[in-house]
Amino acid sequence: QVQLVESGGGVVQPGRSLRLSCAASGFTFTSHAMHWVRQAPGKGLEWVALTWFDGKKKYYADSVKGRFTISRDNSKDTLYLQMDSLRAEDTAVYYCARDFNYGGVIVEVDYWGQGTLVTVSS
Amino acid sequence: DVVMTQSPLSLSVTLGQPASISCRSSQSLVYSDGSTYLTWFQQRPGQSPRRLIYKVSNRDSGVPDRFSGSGSGTDFTLKISRVEAEDVGVYYCMQGTHWPPPSFGGGTKVEIK
Repeated sequence: QVQLVESGGGVVQPGRSLRLSCAASGFTFTSHAMHWVRQAPGKGLEWVALTWFDGKKKYYADSVKGRFTISRDNSKDTLYLQMDSLRAEDTAVYYCARDFNYGGVIVEVDYWGQGTLVTVSS
Repeated sequence: DVVMTQSPLSLSVTLGQPASISCRSSQSLVYSDGSTYLTWFQQRPGQSPRRLIYKVSNRDSGVPDRFSGSGSGTDFTLKISRVEAEDVGVYYCMQGTHWPPPSFGGGTKVEIK
């Protein structure tokens, strides 16, 4: 069955960096685009970033553009999110999510990981 | 950007009674292939989201048939025919037709009266 396991969350000071990982299993990782979606405490879902199956196309929410970088290592079935210049408003649970498609013109999120909490605080 | 508006914000329902959640988009979600990429997710307390419905009305495997999705264009509805205790949580709609960014509704909290 599809499994997505995030790691790398923690407490970090404003302005510092953190890298999240998402280990995928139970499906052919190289056939799917992958997303990061976040949820601030007590709030709704916010899409963060998307990478195509081959990692060649990447898209970002305006709120993280220029600070966050999504990447993937298809040899390790792992998705990453490099978060730089972190702000208090980046505090959230970060979910890794699979797209039904390899990438392209529409977005269809199907499976989610359990999430990892990032807290940005001095 | 497409704005997704859900109503109501919260819903208190008696066990066994129906519930209905509305989701409206700021522009039509019909894609050029004729499909409409509107998805419903359920998030139970303390859990990650789980997909219930895709392309407006297609139920995922393992989702009870008391859940149904309907709608077209800009107006969509998730219905629970008879609410059970395990249905407590927050429900989100999401559009994937016009992106970036794909966008979520603000969520509707379902609780038992």
